[in-house]
Amino acid sequence: QKEVEQDPGPLSVPEGAIVSLNCTYSNSAFQYFMWYRQYSRKGPELLMYTYSSGNKEDGRFTAQVDKSSKYISLFIRDSQPSDSATYLCAMSGGLSGGATNKLIFGTGTLLAVQP
Amino acid sequence: NAGVMQNPRHLVRRRGQEARLRCSPMKGHSHVYWYRQLPEEGLKFMVYLQKENIIDESGMPKERFSAEFPKEGPSILRIQQVVRGDSAAYFCASSPKQAGQFFGPGTRLTVL
Repeated sequence: QKEVEQDPGPLSVPEGAIVSLNCTYSNSAFQYFMWYRQYSRKGPELLMYTYSSGNKEDGRFTAQVDKSSKYISLFIRDSQPSDSATYLCAMSGGLSGGATNKLIFGTGTLLAVQP
Repeated sequence: NAGVMQNPRHLVRRRGQEARLRCSPMKGHSHVYWYRQLPEEGLKFMVYLQKENIIDESGMPKERFSAEFPKEGPSILRIQQVVRGDSAAYFCASSPKQAGQFFGPGTRLTVL
C-alpha cells in the first residue's frame, strides 16, 4: 500500500464548476499538508500549506484536512481553463531545524477545465 | 524576490559521463531539498540539506549520487557515471521555517 493515494483522473469539468480533489494517507505521523499545481514540463507551484486538521481558504482555493480519517481535500471554486493542470498532494511528518522534513507526494490528478 | 533557480534547464549526457545540477534557493531560505520525477511516476524525495550539512539522504541511491550545499554558492547534485535510468526531471525546492517547500523549474536530464 502506498503511503499517499491520489486518484489520477483525468478529471474533466466545465468552466465555473466546483472541483474537488482528494488524497488519503496511511501514516498517522503526517502533520503538514500541502497542495501543488504543476503545469506540463514545469516545476510544482505551492498552492496551499496547512498544519494538522482544519480548513484553510485562499481566494478560490480551500484546503481541508481530516486527520481522524486520514483524508485531505482541495476545493477549487469557479474553475477556469487556466486551472487545467496536474494537482499534487504532499505531506510531511515533522520539522527539522524549523523547516518541514521530506515531502511524500501523491501521484497527481490531471484536471481539465473545459471553456 | 526571485524564485528557486536551477541550471542548466536541460542537460544531455552520454552513458558514463558525470552530470552536475545546480540549485540556488530563494533569498532567505536555508533549507534545500532535491526530488526526482521519473516519466509516469510521482515526485520522489532524494535529499534534504542545510548549509554545510546533510539532514536526510534516505532517498539517495547508495552509489553514484551525491549532494552538497556549501557555505557559499549553490547546492549541487552530482551524478557520476550516468546510466539511461537516470534520465528524469530533477527538482530542487527551498523552504524557510514553518512554511511549505517552493520548487524550482527543474533540470531535465537525458542520458544517451
